[in-house]
Amino acid sequence: DTGVSQDPRHKITKRGQNVTFRCDPISEHNRLYWYRQTLGQGPEFLTYFQNEAQLEKSRLLSDRFSAERPKGSFSTLEIQRTEQGDSAMYLCASTLTAVEQFFGPGTRLTVL
Amino acid sequence: EDQVTQSPEALRLQEGESSSLNCSYTVSGLRGLFWYRQDPGKGPEFLFTLYSAGEEKEKERLKATLTKKESFLHITAPKPEDSATYLCAVQRYGGSQGNLIFGKGTKLSVKP
Repeated sequence: DTGVSQDPRHKITKRGQNVTFRCDPISEHNRLYWYRQTLGQGPEFLTYFQNEAQLEKSRLLSDRFSAERPKGSFSTLEIQRTEQGDSAMYLCASTLTAVEQFFGPGTRLTVL
Repeated sequence: EDQVTQSPEALRLQEGESSSLNCSYTVSGLRGLFWYRQDPGKGPEFLFTLYSAGEEKEKERLKATLTKKESFLHITAPKPEDSATYLCAVQRYGGSQGNLIFGKGTKLSVKP
């Protein structure tokens, strides 16, 4: 399978705990995006990497969120001190052309 | 402010009953308009990119069209397997690093 992969697919955690998600983009795609999607809504942009550089962060990305893309390959998104409002589907997308973005299956986070 | 509005929110069709989904957009400098299909619990699947007014793209039973203010996704003789949420997104020139701005989607149900 050569598509975008995400791990884990599902995560249940208690309020206040830290969680980390991983995204492996399509090989050779230098641009990587993180989005968040809540029920009944479209995905909302969180942050963007070109190679290893994080070039943009949305206002949705509070100080409790941090993302990395070491060596310009896979990326991680960490949420510290989770809150119930963080419950959502976290989607990763990658692209080579900066136009069409290809999405992974997402990580469903539930904060109890 | 960039905005994408999709209608209707939900659409129920009988198998073979053709219809159209609407995506109205307001964006300062359209770089591209995208249609995605999303199945429950999965990431969005790329369908089409449209760049300029008058452009049309087709794939199987789906046809996407674009004007200066809106896009339509026409579904001809739909089958039950076409049931999904269809998302529209825009990307604009300048400013942001290519992130997509999504509508809330149209949930399509096709009954046999």
